[in-house]
Amino acid sequence: AQSVTQLDSQVPVFEEAPVELRCNYSSSVSVYLFWYVQYPNQGLQLLLKYLSGSTLVESINGFEAEFNKSQTSFHLRKPSVHISDTAEYFCAVSDSTGGGNKLTFGTGTQLKVEL
Amino acid sequence: KAGVTQTPRYLIKTRGQQVTLSCSPISGHRSVSWYQQTPGQGLQFLFEYFSETQRNKGNFPGRFSGRQFSNSRSEMNVSTLELGDSALYLCASSLGGARTDTQYFGPGTRLTVL
Repeated sequence: AQSVTQLDSQVPVFEEAPVELRCNYSSSVSVYLFWYVQYPNQGLQLLLKYLSGSTLVESINGFEAEFNKSQTSFHLRKPSVHISDTAEYFCAVSDSTGGGNKLTFGTGTQLKVEL
Repeated sequence: KAGVTQTPRYLIKTRGQQVTLSCSPISGHRSVSWYQQTPGQGLQFLFEYFSETQRNKGNFPGRFSGRQFSNSRSEMNVSTLELGDSALYLCASSLGGARTDTQYFGPGTRLTVL
């Protein structure tokens, strides 16, 4: 079975500074990776995903993530954060066990952007 | 297109009762998955339905069950509620339920068990 590790439970950062949220996965089969964001009292929204092809994937709001097979990582980055980026971020892998469409999530990273 | 809707948004129950949560997927989506989110355990997969059939199930006791209707709407039921069932229950829909399909999440139902 696949698993996802997000080592940082909280990441404080000042506005306009760069940020990296770390995600490592374990999988013995082809990997499909996702980053979701959750704002307070809301569901999860897809930020970006890696299915195949270019290892660098981007979102419409300035985030990007790079799939690194040798390091089994899929870190999320943004060169300059805004106060509105304050939220919880979840890395997930599409789990192949049992068939169907099942996501296995990391424990989440709370990003807090300060003025 | 309307997003995934979940009803009710908030629910308060007492131990021993049962509860039914409802999820309406995005129009055209045939796969519906359910997740439980708690501060201690994080996001955990409950089950997935595709074309009215349960296709995958997580490690939850039999008190947790679900079903899907012919219009792809889904319900999940929890019987004999326990305090530990207090959680945010999230429903997600995807087009065909393939591993590469994006899952779109609803706002969740916040269940509190007293």
